[in-house]
Amino acid sequence: DQQVKQNSPSLSVQEGRISILNCDYTNSMFDYFLWYKKYPAEGPTFLISISSIKDKNEDGRFTVFLNKSAKHLSLHIVPSQPGDSAVYFCAASRGTGANNLFFGTGTRLTVIP
Amino acid sequence: KAGVTQTPRYLIKTRGQQVTLSCSPISGHRSVSWYQQTPGQGLQFLFEYFSETQRNKGNFPGRFSGRQFSNSRSEMNVSTLELGDSALYLCASSQSLTGELFFGEGSRLTVL
Repeated sequence: DQQVKQNSPSLSVQEGRISILNCDYTNSMFDYFLWYKKYPAEGPTFLISISSIKDKNEDGRFTVFLNKSAKHLSLHIVPSQPGDSAVYFCAASRGTGANNLFFGTGTRLTVIP
Repeated sequence: KAGVTQTPRYLIKTRGQQVTLSCSPISGHRSVSWYQQTPGQGLQFLFEYFSETQRNKGNFPGRFSGRQFSNSRSEMNVSTLELGDSALYLCASSQSLTGELFFGEGSRLTVL
């Protein structure tokens, strides 16, 4: 049972435009959400996170929005750059420990120069 | 500071064989967790070790096992390999059970 879902396996965006990656979750107990970025032949690296007490967190070109009522979060990248091309994983946590961290299936973002 | 190191990076096995994967965490990190990544399934939690003790285990059959040594290095073993075990196996380390996860590059296992 996939508790965190990324329904778009891939997304292509022109350089300079906005990239919006979406993520839905089913468990209302999740209280912390993260995005990881993964380049080919590398492990995922932490990108940005948001606590359930907030609805927005911004870090440079990256902003994560959380809509708890809809159990939906999104990652906005503005402006998109070719170096942003990677697989992005959404993750949700309901407490401490790796066993309480649930990952989505990932969205492959391609930024076209 | 060296990152998380996983060996081997790539390996090919046949059904019925067993495999052992190794993970060296970042120096000073005591927690190591393992994940299986397959297309369409994302990262699935396998197990988590802290101070040589398995703290948590994911929903995988008993063919999947692991251990952690006193220097925090960890190994995972899969016995009686099946075709469906073909995946990227990722190891992540953290300073504590609540710390940020730092992932290795993974070990890509292909079962023929």
